[in-house]
Amino acid sequence: SQQGEEDPQALSIQEGENATMNCSYKTSINNLQWYRQNSGRGLVHLILIRSNEREKHSGRLRVTLDTSKKSSSLLITASRAADTASYFCATDGTGGSYIPTFGRGTSLIVHP
Amino acid sequence: DTAVSQTPKYLVTQMGNDKSIKCEQNLGHDTMYWYKQDSKKFLKIMFSYNNKELIINETVPNRFSPKSPDKAHLNLHINSLELGDSAVYFCASSQGGNGGYTFGSGTRLTVV
Repeated sequence: SQQGEEDPQALSIQEGENATMNCSYKTSINNLQWYRQNSGRGLVHLILIRSNEREKHSGRLRVTLDTSKKSSSLLITASRAADTASYFCATDGTGGSYIPTFGRGTSLIVHP
Repeated sequence: DTAVSQTPKYLVTQMGNDKSIKCEQNLGHDTMYWYKQDSKKFLKIMFSYNNKELIINETVPNRFSPKSPDKAHLNLHINSLELGDSAVYFCASSQGGNGGYTFGSGTRLTVV
């Protein structure tokens, strides 16, 4: 089974608009993380939210977590062309055998 | 200063060859991973090592063999390369379930 499925697969907006991406997962988690991947680069950790937190902010990023629905959202406010990238969510759980998995990501294009 | 470094960055090789990708992390993390990202950006975990011991081995062909000489290194050796092995391979590390994953910049493998 796959954790961290992002939705939508692609999102195209104008600079200045807000971008919202969603993530759903299947099993209990310790925390959930969001990552950004610029074209041809590795993943960069953006923000981590723990299972006992409901909302977290970092600059223009706002992450929410609803453990009852097993879902999270990433909101980027006042988007910039430099925000163009793919965004992935991943979960971390308990036990050494937990398998951290990512989805296919949401491809965000911000038009200047 | 690079936290997770992997080499080489690009690798072009012929079918049937054997190749290795090296990964080193200087973060003191106890867990390291190898991921494969296909052309559709799907990130699939291949292996996970915790303190030099294999803890995750997903359905990966036997041609792929990870080697961890110490907890700061996790190398990936691939035998008898096939066209379908062409992808970007990412090394990552983490410290338990308390933080996110730190990724290397990736190795783009092209098998011709």
